[in-house]
Formats: sequence, structure tokens, C-alpha cells
Amino acid sequence: EVQLVQSGAEVKKPGESLKISCQGSGYSFSNYWIGWVRQMPGKGLELMGIIYPGDSDIRYSPSFQGQVTISADKSINTAYLQWSSLKASDTAMYYCARHLYAGERDAFDLWGQGTVVTVSS
Amino acid sequence: EIVLTQSPDFQSVPPKEKVTITCRASQSIGRSLHWYQQKPDQSPNLLIKYASQSLSGVPSRFSGSGYGTHFTLTINSLEAEDAARYYCHQSSSSPGTFGQGTKVEIK
Repeated sequence: EVQLVQSGAEVKKPGESLKISCQGSGYSFSNYWIGWVRQMPGKGLELMGIIYPGDSDIRYSPSFQGQVTISADKSINTAYLQWSSLKASDTAMYYCARHLYAGERDAFDLWGQGTVVTVSS
Repeated sequence: EIVLTQSPDFQSVPPKEKVTITCRASQSIGRSLHWYQQKPDQSPNLLIKYASQSLSGVPSRFSGSGYGTHFTLTINSLEAEDAARYYCHQSSSSPGTFGQGTKVEIK
């Protein structure tokens, strides 16, 4: 089955670090761009950035550049989103999603189930 | 960064009526515009790709049109299961951006 499976919910304190994951299966993970999308409570979708697992080429959205780090390990078909110092405003659902075709500019046709991140003191 | 503006933000429509959602881009994006449906507590689902291309498994009542800066998602004969939030997404400039979303309620 073609799917993206994300890591489980996280509860963290402000200032803590965090790395969440997105593992692909059923397709050639290295050859499709993966994006990370934030959805704050009751709000819309925000594209944070995309990564090409084959060579870890990354494109960040301006609002998220310097705020998070996107990475991938193609040997285990996994993409990551990490924070070095969380803020309460990072509380959100985070989705990973795969591009439809093997190109940088494309629709997202496959989505993970989402990872809830709660940051609270 | 290309900004996508959807209208309206909210629509309450009776069953079997037609729904039209528009998405305007801050600059021309050709046909690099996609539509998603997100139901409560679910991940988004791709409905229409490249402005007007349908996808396997998506009901035929969903259609898209447009080019450049003005795009439209149409739901013909609204059904109860179509209650959701709808988003447009442009992939003309990498990494892409989403519109703010349109909530569709069944009246």
C-alpha cells in the first residue's frame, strides 16, 4: 500500500527541541518531493517547505525559513521536521504530503495522517 | 511569494444546489493550481489538479476551471458528504502556497 505514516502526538514545553517524522512506503521514496504543512487550531493550511529525499534538496517558505529544519534519510524512507526551541505558537497539526509526480512544482496527492504538536508550560 | 485569495470564506448551501468557490492569485500561475477538500479531523484530499484535471475516485460533480490569476472550483448538486473546507494551492513557484480556505456548510 502506498502511504505516508507520521510519528505520534507530542506534548512539549517551550524551549524544548523536537523532531517529528514521516515514513513513506509502497513507492520509490527518493524520487518524490515531500512537503510539510502546518495547520494551527481552527485555521488553514500553510506550506512550510518541501524536500527531495533523493539528494535532500530543500525549499523553505519565507515564513518558516530559519524557524524549522526539514531533512530526510532516504535509506529508511523518512522525512523529518524539527525545531530547536519550541514556542507555544508552534502548537498545531503538522502534515507531510507527497508530490503527485516526480517534479518540484506539483500537487500533493498523498498525505500523512498528521502529527499533533502541543507546546505548553 | 504568490498569495492566493479565496472567496467566499464561508458558504451555507442547500443540498442539490451548485457551489462555486473562486481562488485568485497575486500573479499569473498558468494552470498550476490545485484544489483540496478537508473534512473535519481528516487529512486533506486532492480533488482537482492543474486547474481542471479530474482525479480517479473523485465524484464527477467536482470540476475546476481557470487560467492565469482566476480559478474556480464548482460542486454541482451538493451532497451532505461535501460539507468540508476547500483549499486552493499553487505550485507555480516553489515550494508553493495555499489559499486561506472556504468552509462549505450544508443548509
